[in-house]
Amino acid sequence: AQSVTQLDSHVSVSEGTPVLLRCNYSSSYSPSLFWYVQHPNKGLQLLLKYTSAATLVKGINGFEAEFKKSETSFHLTKPSAHMSDAAEYFCVVSEAAGNKLTFGGGTRVLVKP
Amino acid sequence: NAGVMQNPRHLVRRRGQEARLRCSPMKGHSHVYWYRQLPEEGLKFMVYLQKENIIDESGMPKERFSAEFPKEGPSILRIQQVVRGDSAAYFCASSPISIATNEKLFFGSGTQLSVL
Repeated sequence: AQSVTQLDSHVSVSEGTPVLLRCNYSSSYSPSLFWYVQHPNKGLQLLLKYTSAATLVKGINGFEAEFKKSETSFHLTKPSAHMSDAAEYFCVVSEAAGNKLTFGGGTRVLVKP
Repeated sequence: NAGVMQNPRHLVRRRGQEARLRCSPMKGHSHVYWYRQLPEEGLKFMVYLQKENIIDESGMPKERFSAEFPKEGPSILRIQQVVRGDSAAYFCASSPISIATNEKLFFGSGTQLSVL
């Protein structure tokens, strides 16, 4: 069985400062890992995905995430937060043999001016 | 190329009524997934369908919930005799092939169901 834990339900940062969203996973198989963003009243948008190629994955809008197998982590970072980054972020795991995505509980990001 | 279209955006029902949620996948996509997001929670898988077939319904409640994806027309998630606990955002996603091959899912904007 697979599971995802997002360690922070809320993160507050100042505009221009780094953002770190933490995610740990467990999976019986070689997983694929994703980060999705959900803006208010919008659908989910894929930020980036890891599929066993390079462990450092670059996504859209300046986000990147590093897959660390030894730590079973897939933390999301951005060097400089923008006001438009205020949203909810979901870490997601998909087992290679399955069709289901398993979502973490989400991290709500607040960006202060 | 329109994205995944869900309607209605908001649906209000009284307890005991039926709710029908529609999802039109992206053009060329034959795989549809339904997810439910309860307040303050992440999305939970409900069901995976291909045209005219239910592939995996392990996340569907055993009673009152059903889903279909006919040969023609949108996928429908149907909830009979709704209860307050059914209030949630229901998201549909589609992909051109199975995500078992790590294909990306495209999500709709969701339907917010409110049960009074």
